[in-house]
Amino acid sequence: GENVEQHPSTLSVQEGDSAVIKCTYSDSASNYFPWYKQELGKRPQLIIDIRSNVGEKKDQRIAVTLNKTAKHFSLHITETQPEDSAVYFCAASRDGNKLVFGAGTILRVKS
Amino acid sequence: GAVVSQHPSWVICKSGTSVKIECRSLDFQATTMFWYRQFPKQSLMLMATSNEGSKATYEQGVEKDKFLINHASLTLSTLTVTSAHPEDSSFYICSRSGRAPDTQYFGPGTRLTVL
Repeated sequence: GENVEQHPSTLSVQEGDSAVIKCTYSDSASNYFPWYKQELGKRPQLIIDIRSNVGEKKDQRIAVTLNKTAKHFSLHITETQPEDSAVYFCAASRDGNKLVFGAGTILRVKS
Repeated sequence: GAVVSQHPSWVICKSGTSVKIECRSLDFQATTMFWYRQFPKQSLMLMATSNEGSKATYEQGVEKDKFLINHASLTLSTLTVTSAHPEDSSFYICSRSGRAPDTQYFGPGTRLTVL
């Protein structure tokens, strides 16, 4: 089955700097890659997603890139703010089937 | 606004008792809903896929007789943790797909503590 690895496990950045979180997946048939932000004790919130027919997608300060050949995808957050501090999860799925999540990245934005 | 609700948001129970958690899709008829478990400082692990009008599909290692799932309507799925033990203490979260079937929206979660 699918296996998703996520790095780094923790990331500390200065406010205003960029943050990059990377994930690799094992199933070449996976075609949907969402990113979720989860604050302590809260639900995961979908922040951006990308499908396998696209290489890059951007939404304001957040962007996701996908390299299907290498089977990895990355989350990029620019101009980080303290409210970006949270746990971020990547995930992968195939054809609308179950999501397989990465282990998560704790992002701390220092002001 | 939220498209998936869960009830209760937290529950404390004694070891050996059963607990029912409800998951409602508020704006969309969901033939499929998902149940996840999240232990502290860990990722979300899929427990089962809940299918309206049919039996749930459980992930490997999840006891179907212990975690009973019922999806009796297009807007409600329930998870019952039977004979709960302290090791079942966790954050249980449901989700449903959106109009794009691969997109999932999560409920607020239920914090279960078994004493």
